[in-house]
Amino acid sequence: DVKVTQSSRYLVKRTGEKVFLECVQDMDHENMFWYRQDPGLGLRLIYFSYDVKMKEKGDIPEGYSVSREKKERFSLILESASTNQTSMYLCASSSSGTGLGEQYFGPGTRLTVT
Amino acid sequence: DQQVKQNSPSLSVQEGRISILNCDYTNSMFDYFLWYKKYPAEGPTFLISISSIKDKNEDGRFTVFLNKSAKHLSLHIVPSQPGDSAVYFCAASERGGADGLTFGKGTHLIIQP
Repeated sequence: DVKVTQSSRYLVKRTGEKVFLECVQDMDHENMFWYRQDPGLGLRLIYFSYDVKMKEKGDIPEGYSVSREKKERFSLILESASTNQTSMYLCASSSSGTGLGEQYFGPGTRLTVT
Repeated sequence: DQQVKQNSPSLSVQEGRISILNCDYTNSMFDYFLWYKKYPAEGPTFLISISSIKDKNEDGRFTVFLNKSAKHLSLHIVPSQPGDSAVYFCAASERGGADGLTFGKGTHLIIQP
């Protein structure tokens, strides 16, 4: 079974803080993704990565950066947290090999910025 | 502009009856469509998918239908069970999902006993 884990389920940070959200997958997947989920907006893609050291912007990258130093780990960084970044953050991974692209999601991190 | 639309925020169905969730898309480059199910405080879980070269895919109680000319897909759940109560997201991708998925806003399905 694919397992995607996220470092925290709940996080409370202050405006202006630097925030790190960590994601680890154990299935040797090439692709990893960060989404945020907001009520009435569904899931929106922030950044994704095809491989180690590679990163691509998604639909809403502003205010975020990412790091992928190892294949199994993909980090989302909020350089200076703001209240409009209060959201549920979801990490996902998928394999390039199958060509089907099903993504496997972690449990999510609910971030509150005060 | 929203490329994947789920126009029903919620749907209530009696246990044992058929649930039909609908999804429309605007991007004709989408070649792969998926449905995800999400319970509160959990990540979405993959349910079923369909490639654009097919018009139907079935997996147990779940069937997805794709009408490319109408840019419409639907998820049928028969029979509906209490455990099916969740938020269902329709998602679509180009290039088999390698560039990430575009999600709809979700439909909250409530199965009434």
